[in-house]
Amino acid sequence: EILMTQSPATLSVSPGQRATLSCRASQSISNKLAWYQQKPGQAPRLLISGASTRATGIPARFSGSGSGTEFTLTISSLQSEDFGVYYCQQYKNWPPMYTFGQGTTLEIK
Amino acid sequence: EEQLVESGGGLVQPGWSLRLSCATSGISFTNYWMAWVRQTPGKGLEWVATIDVDGREKFYLDSVKGRFTVSRDNAKNSLFLQMNSVRVDDTAVYYCAREAHSSFDYWGQGSLVTVSS
Repeated sequence: EILMTQSPATLSVSPGQRATLSCRASQSISNKLAWYQQKPGQAPRLLISGASTRATGIPARFSGSGSGTEFTLTISSLQSEDFGVYYCQQYKNWPPMYTFGQGTTLEIK
Repeated sequence: EEQLVESGGGLVQPGWSLRLSCATSGISFTNYWMAWVRQTPGKGLEWVATIDVDGREKFYLDSVKGRFTVSRDNAKNSLFLQMNSVRVDDTAVYYCAREAHSSFDYWGQGSLVTVSS
């Protein structure tokens, strides 16, 4: 099983500032990584797939980078609506055995 | 409007069975793999099962193999999860989700399954 570890557990950032979230895989997953945002009482929302490709309708302030075992989600200028929990997910395995990180809670300072 | 609506959750006793359904509308269903993902406060998000476009290939989390069965009805744009011999640690919110190149691009609102005696 590929383990996904996210850091930090909680991040407090002021509006307009940059937020950087990290995700590490226990073995190389190439670029087979997705990022999701989840707000209280809602389902997760896909932000990024293929480590760096924004999903439809996702603002340009969200960007993803990395490959292999180290990945980063950057929110360039934080907006108040960006609070929530962010999860990474790997999908390298075949047959499918997808795993998620434990999440980073992004708080608006 | 894209909609995935789960139903069938509830309170069940350990060892019992439950069938979750996911009705979809406004999204392309028949050409996509579909999945069930569950979420608990303690274990976070956990992939449960995946089914290919015509239902021939199915994949499961090890802990549910032999107990859960995923299926689909393409004529009704619906996904199902038959849960047998449920255990306390199956307690979770269960989401249906559409797979797009192995990430999940559309999600339902979730259905709570509580396993307790």
